Amino acid sequence: GDSVTQMEGPVTLSEEAFLTINCTYTATGYPSLFWYVQYPGEGLQLLLKATKADDKGSNKGFEATYRKETTSFHLEKGSVQVSDSAVYFCALSEDNNDMRFGAGTRLTVKP
Amino acid sequence: DTAVSQTPKYLVTQMGNDKSIKCEQNLGHDTMYWYKQDSKKFLKIMFSYNNKELIINETVPNRFSPKSPDKAHLNLHINSLELGDSAVYFCASSQRLAGVGQETQYFGPGTRLLVL
Repeated sequence: GDSVTQMEGPVTLSEEAFLTINCTYTATGYPSLFWYVQYPGEGLQLLLKATKADDKGSNKGFEATYRKETTSFHLEKGSVQVSDSAVYFCALSEDNNDMRFGAGTRLTVKP
Repeated sequence: DTAVSQTPKYLVTQMGNDKSIKCEQNLGHDTMYWYKQDSKKFLKIMFSYNNKELIINETVPNRFSPKSPDKAHLNLHINSLELGDSAVYFCASSQRLAGVGQETQYFGPGTRLLVL
C-alpha cells in the first residue's frame, strides 16, 4: 500500500541554519504530496503541497519539489527561525484513497 | 472563526468509561475524518464520513463509533475505554474525499485523551 517515510528526529538547528527534512514515498499511482506543520499545542496546518511531478510547493520560505524519479518530496528552508520550531509531517493522497502521513519530524531551532 | 473545532481539548477518564469527542467544521465541506496520533506522532486514519455515509473504516475496534448528525459534525464515541486508547485524536475535513481532486484536509486542534 501507499506509505510515507520521513527522516527521524529530533532535528536541532541554530537560527539561520539551512534545513532539510527528507521524505520519500511509495504509491501505486500519482499521488499529491503535502507537508503539514504542527506548532506546540496546536493542530496540523497545511504548509505546502504539490500535485504532480516537478511541481514545487512553497510557503513561508519553505520549499519542496515533487521528484517522481526519486519518489521524494524533501522539505527545505534556507534560513530557519526560532518560530519554525514544530513537528513537520510529510503526507500523500492518492485518488480514491485517504491521507497517509509520515511519522513526523520534530524541529527545534535555538537562538 | 475557527474552521475545524474539537471539544474537549483535554479529556482524562478512567478505564471502562464511555466518552465522546465532538468535532464541528464551518467550511461547508462534504467529508470529515478522525485520526489517532500515537506516541511516535504517527497519524492513523480511523474514519471518514461523506454526506453522512461511512466510507472508510480502518480496522479500528468496534468500541469506537463515529456519529454524524449532519455534514458539519462528526463525533467520536468510545465505549469501554482502555489504557491503549490514550492518544491525541484529530478531526479533519475536506471538500471531497481526500485524493479525489486531490483535496486538502483542514485539521482541528486535537483532543488529548488520557485513560487512567
